Amino acid sequence: DGGITQSPKYLFRKEGQNVTLSCEQNLNHDAMYWYRQDPGQGLRLIYYSQIVNDFQKGDIAEGYSVSREKKESFPLTVTSAQKNPTAFYLCASSNRDRGSSTNQPQHFGDGTRLSIL
Amino acid sequence: GQQVMQIPQYQHVQEGEDFTTYCNSSTTLSNIQWYKQRPGGHPVFLIQLVKSGEVKKQKRLTFQFGEAKKNSSLHITATQTTDVGTYFCAATQTDSNYQLIWGAGTKLIIKP
Repeated sequence: DGGITQSPKYLFRKEGQNVTLSCEQNLNHDAMYWYRQDPGQGLRLIYYSQIVNDFQKGDIAEGYSVSREKKESFPLTVTSAQKNPTAFYLCASSNRDRGSSTNQPQHFGDGTRLSIL
Repeated sequence: GQQVMQIPQYQHVQEGEDFTTYCNSSTTLSNIQWYKQRPGGHPVFLIQLVKSGEVKKQKRLTFQFGEAKKNSSLHITATQTTDVGTYFCAATQTDSNYQLIWGAGTKLIIKP
């Protein structure tokens, strides 16, 4: 089955600690995204990548870092600089719609719930 | 920054009543997508609208894209308990850089 796998499902972070959230997709999608969702709120874009070895900051990139060394993988690190990391983190992927200004539908993983200890 | 306004934030309905959520933009949209997120779950793509004035139906769900491509709506006829969740619109603006602009979502709550 093709899809997006996020791990772990739940994660606890201690003060001053960096933690890394995994996101792997086997849909052969070029583009990948990380979103943060706070309780009862919408999705806010953290980082996105349209191609391997390239990524762009979203609306709330401060305190986060990413890498895109492989097409299938887009890990997110929540650094100690992110003072309020408790949230639901969603990874998504999509095809790129080359030659037009539309976006292709995004496919989401099951998410990681991050809390502070 | 760029915004897509989605209203209402919540809608409480009796089972069998209709439900509608609206998304509005001050700028012209290239396309608009709709997603559903069940409680505790992740957003799932429902449909994409691209053409001015487009109307698409999926069983009891009707999706519309405005003539000016600045607004869209999702209407559910005769809601069922399986419809519970939050419905999000997400749009591409004509001068965007491949970023989707997400609405804040409308939560559909079925009254007991």
